[in-house]
Amino acid sequence: EAQVTQNPRYLITVTGKKLTVTCSQNMNHEYMSWYRQDPGLGLRQIYYSMNVEVTDKGDVPEGYKVSRKEKRNFPLILESPSPNQTSLYFCASTAEGGDYGYTFGSGTRLTVV
Amino acid sequence: AQTVTQSQPEMSVQEAETVTLSCTYDTSESDYYLFWYKQPPSRQMILVIRQEAYKQQNATENRFSVNFQKAAKSFSLKISDSQLGDAAMYFCAYRSSQAGTALIFGKGTTLSVSS
Repeated sequence: EAQVTQNPRYLITVTGKKLTVTCSQNMNHEYMSWYRQDPGLGLRQIYYSMNVEVTDKGDVPEGYKVSRKEKRNFPLILESPSPNQTSLYFCASTAEGGDYGYTFGSGTRLTVV
Repeated sequence: AQTVTQSQPEMSVQEAETVTLSCTYDTSESDYYLFWYKQPPSRQMILVIRQEAYKQQNATENRFSVNFQKAAKSFSLKISDSQLGDAAMYFCAYRSSQAGTALIFGKGTTLSVSS
């Protein structure tokens, strides 16, 4: 089944403790992206990657890192999480040049206390 | 920069009735794609319908259809014969046809369906 797999689904952590949210897709998509969803703000792009070793900032990149060492994986790293990073996070992918919208992961609910 | 506006934070409809969700966008481009996504309480993002800007014909998927007005930069979603399972947050989204561009979302409309 074609899908984007995100883990974990829920995560509660403390301020400053480094964490990684994993994302993997099995569709050989070139383009992958991370979004955060906050009430009243919709979804905002954090980082994206057009292919292996090619990443760039989205609209809200502060406090986040990403890497793209393999085509299928695009982890999101919070090196020193803060409470304002409490949010719902989505990983998504699409075939570059395709016009079929994004395929989304199931989301990660992150709480930083 | 492109923007997407959903002016109705909340909407309600009765079962079997029809409801229309509004979306406007701002862009200087002529070639792009528009989408409606549904987010039920499970929070999964589900693609409902897509429209290619260069196609004048409005897209339709079963009970879901759009009214695409390119000159007015409007892209509304009509849900016919509403069902309880249609209750969700609905997001309108825009994507340029240029490579490597982001999917830009509106802030969403919460639709409730009553029996």
